[in-house]
Amino acid sequence: NAGVTQTPKFQVLKTGQSMTLQCAQDMNHEYMSWYRQDPGMGLRLIHYSVGAGITDQGEVPNGYNVSRSTTEDFPLRLLSAAPSQTSVYFCASSYSIAGANNEQFFGPGTRLTVL
Amino acid sequence: SQQGEEDPQALSIQEGENATMNCSYKTSINNLQWYRQNSGRGLVHLILIRSNEREKHSGRLRVTLDTSKKSSSLLITASRAADTASYFCATDANDYKLSFGAGTTVTVRA
Repeated sequence: NAGVTQTPKFQVLKTGQSMTLQCAQDMNHEYMSWYRQDPGMGLRLIHYSVGAGITDQGEVPNGYNVSRSTTEDFPLRLLSAAPSQTSVYFCASSYSIAGANNEQFFGPGTRLTVL
Repeated sequence: SQQGEEDPQALSIQEGENATMNCSYKTSINNLQWYRQNSGRGLVHLILIRSNEREKHSGRLRVTLDTSKKSSSLLITASRAADTASYFCATDANDYKLSFGAGTTVTVRA
């Protein structure tokens, strides 16, 4: 199994541009989530999904959209990039629909810089 | 807002010594998890302890949980250079969301 994969690994955007960060998992996990990691702040939850067609907001959802059309994929869209969105983004998945009740499997991350 | 807070923020120890880090949290939890992150990599799950458990072991790792004090500790025994990493606690308040602390950076000196 490839586990959780994320593309791209690195991205530089200009303010106002939009883009989609891709996340896929091949473990048939119901629960998927997106976090951002900023220096000294740990990980903050952006959005999560408990199954195909179901998404909900986390702690810092503004400026981001998600959709879950399949069990495998959970893309994160930046609608109009801002310098404050410069961060490292991690996708994670868990086999349990309760999500946080079990081990999370993390992808390698996408390092995004917004100029 | 972040639920868990780790202490200390940074720790430097000699190879072979034990490393202890603590996590405090604010609200009732369903479980508490510890993760490791090597520089530039994703997080790796280390251990999960449920609210009705007080202590758990996994190899050289020992985790304790005191729900009355809303705190947990992670002990790494006989540290190795490969243990150099950041360690994060994460809490599940039974609301589908895992809340992470800011982490403890551990450096193991040869």
